[in-house]
Amino acid sequence: AQSVTQLDSQVPVFEEAPVELRCNYSSSVSVYLFWYVQYPNQGLQLLLKYLSGSTLVKGINGFEAEFNKSQTSFHLRKPSVHISDTAEYFCAVGRDYKLSFGAGTTVTVRA
Amino acid sequence: GAVVSQHPSRVICKSGTSVKIECRSLDFQATTMFWYRQFPKQSLMLMATSNEGSKATYEQGVEKDKFLINHASLTLSTLTVTSAHPEDSSFYICSARNDVYNQPQHFGDGTRLSIL
Repeated sequence: AQSVTQLDSQVPVFEEAPVELRCNYSSSVSVYLFWYVQYPNQGLQLLLKYLSGSTLVKGINGFEAEFNKSQTSFHLRKPSVHISDTAEYFCAVGRDYKLSFGAGTTVTVRA
Repeated sequence: GAVVSQHPSRVICKSGTSVKIECRSLDFQATTMFWYRQFPKQSLMLMATSNEGSKATYEQGVEKDKFLINHASLTLSTLTVTSAHPEDSSFYICSARNDVYNQPQHFGDGTRLSIL
């Protein structure tokens, strides 16, 4: 079984400030890890994924995430956010691409 | 590339009617498609997984007779909500991937279903 915990349900942040979204997972086997973004009334867009190799993963729109096996974490970061980054962010864990999603983190960027 | 189209984007209908939602992969062959349900301010819940030409595999608690899934071709899967009731109102999202090329899941834009 696998599960995902997103530690922050809401993250307000000022424009051009950095942001970190926290994600912890549990699984009895090795898994793949993903971050998705969802804009209002839309589906999910893949930001980045970790399959293997380097633990620092760079994604689209300036996002990056670091896989930490010992802490079973996969936190998402962006050094400087824009208003357009306001959205819902989901961490997901999967094997054979059957995904389990976290509850989501709402990021609200203010000017 | 890897575009998934979902139709309709929004549907409102009366209680008791059946509603069909289509999910198409436009530029790749989708060997596997997934159907999710999302309640307001909540995460996605996987309803079922379908492979082309095979019966769908439903998650625990999802009624097969209520949510009919057909994956008749490598580019199309449909979800039919039969005899829909207000409690079926939700945001339904499909995703698709090609297992052969080990793709991640690509998501459609979702369908907002409202049952009156």
